[in-house]
Amino acid sequence: SQTIHQWPATLVQPVGSPLSLECTVEGTSNPNLYWYRQAAGRGLQLLFYSVGIGQISSEVPQNLSASRPQDRQFILSSKKLLLSDSGFYLCAWRDLRRANSPLHFGNGTRLTVT
Amino acid sequence: KQEVTQIPAALSVPEGENLVLNCSFTDSAIYNLQWFRQDPGKGLTSLLLIQSSQREQTSGRLNASLDKSSGRSTLYIAASQPGDSATYLCAPSPSGNTPLVFGKGTRLSVIA
Repeated sequence: SQTIHQWPATLVQPVGSPLSLECTVEGTSNPNLYWYRQAAGRGLQLLFYSVGIGQISSEVPQNLSASRPQDRQFILSSKKLLLSDSGFYLCAWRDLRRANSPLHFGNGTRLTVT
Repeated sequence: KQEVTQIPAALSVPEGENLVLNCSFTDSAIYNLQWFRQDPGKGLTSLLLIQSSQREQTSGRLNASLDKSSGRSTLYIAASQPGDSATYLCAPSPSGNTPLVFGKGTRLSVIA
């Protein structure tokens, strides 16, 4: 069966510090991978998605970046965090080789920038 | 650009009541629609996926309907329980690699 792992679960970082959040998927190959952010009182905002290794699409211009160094690994990074980067970050995947494949989410990372 | 609206934003009901959550979307060219549940501080759990060719999809006490032409979906929860308390989100999916767009959700509280 397929599983998705996301870490860390919680993170407190000072303004201006770097960020690295990691997500890995097991039990499948060549998944579509996604990073979403959920800010307090707001909906889910798509940040990045990837259809393959090294292929990253950005939805929102900001000081965040994403990379996909391996087929089932998706990393969200920042060189210098801003207060506005605080939020709940969710990684997700789905297999578009299968018709009507559902989207599956990880447990999320709660990021607080102080 | 797809826009998704969920009504009501919040709902509080006594245990045992049947309830309906509504989802509307502006672009009817969708491939399927998913309903998710999110508990506080947790990720999203997929509840139901209803294909564009389907009218309904059922799982236990949950029933999702889809009227693609009118851009509407409903999630029906029968005999609600306190454990159903969570935020429910819908997300229509366009075809291909285009990502899902989410509504802001309906926060449900079921009172024992």
